[in-house]
Amino acid sequence: DVQMTQSPSYVSASVGDTVTITCRASQDISTRVAWYQQKPGKAPSLLIFAAFSLQRGVPSRFSGSGSEKDFTLTIRDLQPEDFATYYCQQANKFPLTFGRGTKLEIK
Amino acid sequence: EAQLVESGGGQVKPGGSLRLSCAGSGFDFNSYTLAWVRQTPGKGLEWVSYITDNGNYIYYGDSVTGRFTISRDNAKNSLYLQMHSLRGDDTAIYFCARVSGDDYFDTWGQGTLVIVSS
Repeated sequence: DVQMTQSPSYVSASVGDTVTITCRASQDISTRVAWYQQKPGKAPSLLIFAAFSLQRGVPSRFSGSGSEKDFTLTIRDLQPEDFATYYCQQANKFPLTFGRGTKLEIK
Repeated sequence: EAQLVESGGGQVKPGGSLRLSCAGSGFDFNSYTLAWVRQTPGKGLEWVSYITDNGNYIYYGDSVTGRFTISRDNAKNSLYLQMHSLRGDDTAIYFCARVSGDDYFDTWGQGTLVIVSS
């Protein structure tokens, strides 16, 4: 199985900050990565797919990059509604697998 | 707007069975691959199963193979997950999700809670 190692597990930041979350795959997965946002009591929501493509309706302060094994999600100019948990997911090979999540908390 | 709504969760004893349903609306249900994904505090998000638009291709995660069966009824815009031989580690929130052409989950239901406990 493709393991997705996500870091950090927790990050504390303030409104207006820039935050970067990383995900490392255990093997080359090209650019077949997605990023999701999840708020408490809600389902995950797709933010980024194919490593850097922004899902429709997602603000442009979210961006993704990377290829092969190393991927990043960057959130610029943090807004209050961005404090949530973020997950990466690989879509290169079955079983489809997720990272363990990064909880973004308000400082 | 695309919407998915799960139902059928509940509490069941170890070894028991349960059938989850997911009703789709607001999109061409027949044209999409669908999946079940579950979430626990301990293991996070785990993909469970996947069925293509016409049901011709079905995949399962290793932890549920042989115990769970995914199916769909396109005439009813419905997705199902039949779960047998349930174990404590199947306790989770189960989400149905619409799958994009590249195997990303672009629409999710609100989830239904399954508790396996005696």
